[in-house]
Amino acid sequence: AQKVTQAQTEISVVEKEDVTLDCVYETRDTTYYLFWYKQPPSGELVFLIRRNSFDEQNEISGRYSWNFQKSTSSFNFTITASQVVDSAVYFCALQSYTGNQFYFGTGTSLTVIP
Amino acid sequence: NAGVTQTPKFQVLKTGQSMTLQCAQDMNHEYMSWYRQDPGMGLRLIHYSVGAGITDQGEVPNGYNVSRSTTEDFPLRLLSAAPSQTSVYFCASSASQGEETQYFGPGTRLLVL
Repeated sequence: AQKVTQAQTEISVVEKEDVTLDCVYETRDTTYYLFWYKQPPSGELVFLIRRNSFDEQNEISGRYSWNFQKSTSSFNFTITASQVVDSAVYFCALQSYTGNQFYFGTGTSLTVIP
Repeated sequence: NAGVTQTPKFQVLKTGQSMTLQCAQDMNHEYMSWYRQDPGMGLRLIHYSVGAGITDQGEVPNGYNVSRSTTEDFPLRLLSAAPSQTSVYFCASSASQGEETQYFGPGTRLLVL
């Protein structure tokens, strides 16, 4: 079965603090893809990153970084020096290589306090 | 290139009414999907299509019908709306290979009274 767990329902941080959003997944597939999406208060879903199961290299994009660890089935997302504009709901998702269904976590609502 | 478009943006229905949520994409994507988003439950897959003429059920298909007569369009039909279908609906599309990123429309907010 495919499953994505985002145990943190809500997180609040003060601006400029670092924050890590956790994502744990379950799959029996050997090839799969992991995603992070951002949903700002305006409601649209914005793609942030895609990672395939064979690439465990961490990735950094500006203030965003992602830590993929197959050994713990985790794909955590860190925002460095958070800003008010980072306030949003963040979703982690899993996609099997053999299918096109995405499995989403329940999301983590991040509030950055000025 | 408009990406994925959805209409309407907001709709109010009475219980028992029917309506169609429209979704279109101009990226020539083979795969299209419908999700509903409810508080505390993330996004759940309703129906999806791997190409024109081919559709399949997702996690929560009951009460919804879909068809895919063209590559561009993937409408979602509610035959007899129920208050439990009050939700935000997102349409998404992706290219033919499973490794491609899925792009989402802006969403349709539906309220069933």
